[in-house]
Amino acid sequence: GENVEQHPSTLSVQEGDSAVIKCTYSDSASNYFPWYKQELGKRPQLIIDIRSNVGEKKDQRIAVTLNKTAKHFSLHITETQPEDSAVYFCAASQTGGSYIPTFGRGTSLIVHP
Amino acid sequence: DAGITQSPRHKVTETGTPVTLRCHQTENHRYMYWYRQDPGHGLRLIHYSYGVKDTDKGEVSDGYSVSRSKTEDFLLTLESATSSQTSVYFCAISVRVPPDNEQFFGPGTRLTVL
Repeated sequence: GENVEQHPSTLSVQEGDSAVIKCTYSDSASNYFPWYKQELGKRPQLIIDIRSNVGEKKDQRIAVTLNKTAKHFSLHITETQPEDSAVYFCAASQTGGSYIPTFGRGTSLIVHP
Repeated sequence: DAGITQSPRHKVTETGTPVTLRCHQTENHRYMYWYRQDPGHGLRLIHYSYGVKDTDKGEVSDGYSVSRSKTEDFLLTLESATSSQTSVYFCAISVRVPPDNEQFFGPGTRLTVL
C-alpha cells in the first residue's frame, strides 16, 4: 500500500518568514495530493490540492509543488502570519478501488509574532 | 458546509463498556470514513464505507466494528473499550468524484476510556 512520509514534524518560524513542509509518497499510481490544515481543537480542512498532471499550484500565500519523478510534494507558505499556526497534513490518493487517501503524520507549524 | 455531524462530541467511559459513535451526513455522499487521531500518528483510517451495508477495514480496525444501514448514517462501535482507544475520532465523507478524493471532516468526538 501507499506510504506517506512528512517532514518536519515541528516547524517554528518568525512572522513574515516562509515555511516549507515536505512529503514523499511511495506509490507511483497516486495522482491526487491534498493538504489539510487543522487548527487547535478543530477539524482538518482542505487548503490546497494538486493533481499529478500539474507541477505547481498557487493560492494567494500558499503553493504546492509536485515532483512525480522523485515522488515528493511540498507545501510553501509565504509571508507567514500567526493565524497560519496549525497542524498541516499532506495526503496521497491512489486511483481505483475506494480511493482511500493515506495521510502523513502532520507538521505542527508555529508562527511567532 | 457538507452537512456532517458527529455525536456525541465528548464521551468518557470505562474499560470494558461498549461505545457507539454516530456520523450523520445530509447530502447522500457515497463514501464515508472513520479515522482516529493521536499525537505523533496523524490520521489513521479505522473503517470506511462505499455504500449502504458495504464496509471495509482500514489500517487500525482491530477492536472496532462499523455499520451503515442508511446512506446518511455511519456508526462506529467499540465492542469493549480499552484505554488504548482513548483518542479523537473523526468521521469524513468524500465530497468529490474519483480520482480526486477530497475529504470533508466532521467536528470530531473526543473519547476517553478510563
